[in-house]
Amino acid sequence: SQQGEEDPQALSIQEGENATMNCSYKTSINNLQWYRQNSGRGLVHLILIRSNEREKHSGRLRVTLDTSKKSSSLLITASRAADTASYFCATDAKLTFGEGTQLTVNP
Amino acid sequence: DGGITQSPKYLFRKEGQNVTLSCEQNLNHDAMYWYRQDPGQGLRLIYYSQIVNDFQKGDIAEGYSVSREKKESFPLTVTSAQKNPTAFYLCASSTRSGKVYEQYFGPGTRLTVT
Repeated sequence: SQQGEEDPQALSIQEGENATMNCSYKTSINNLQWYRQNSGRGLVHLILIRSNEREKHSGRLRVTLDTSKKSSSLLITASRAADTASYFCATDAKLTFGEGTQLTVNP
Repeated sequence: DGGITQSPKYLFRKEGQNVTLSCEQNLNHDAMYWYRQDPGQGLRLIYYSQIVNDFQKGDIAEGYSVSREKKESFPLTVTSAQKNPTAFYLCASSTRSGKVYEQYFGPGTRLTVT
């Protein structure tokens, strides 16, 4: 089964704008994590939110979690060209990943 | 420096040959994972190991084999039985502290089979 479906598939914005991407999952979770992948590189862990948390912040990142809707969102504020990457969400210990959201931030 | 390494970065093989991808970590992590990523796609779990001398199949284990003889090492063999082996392979590791499973990823190995 596939957990962690990101939406939209692709997002293109201008530098300085906010970027919001969403993640849906299918079964109960203990935590949900967001990762970033630059082209041709490994994934980098960004932030983890536990099932008993509703919102979490880390720098320009804000993550929300709605367990009743089985969904999460990642907001990147004041985006920069360097934020251009693919973003993935993952749930549970085995961390099954969706196809990601490809974010392009235009200078 | 602590981290997780994969070698080589690029690997080319002829069809019908087995090939082994290396993954080493010095983070003292118990769990290690292998993923496959195809262009524009997400990561699919091949195998994972939560402890030395033990491993489990992931979603796409057919045509692959692994071993976990040492805590630091989790090599992946892509056998000739794997029908479409050309892909980007990522190794990861994590601790097993409670329910937190942040994964640390290696830089990946891009395998091309012709």
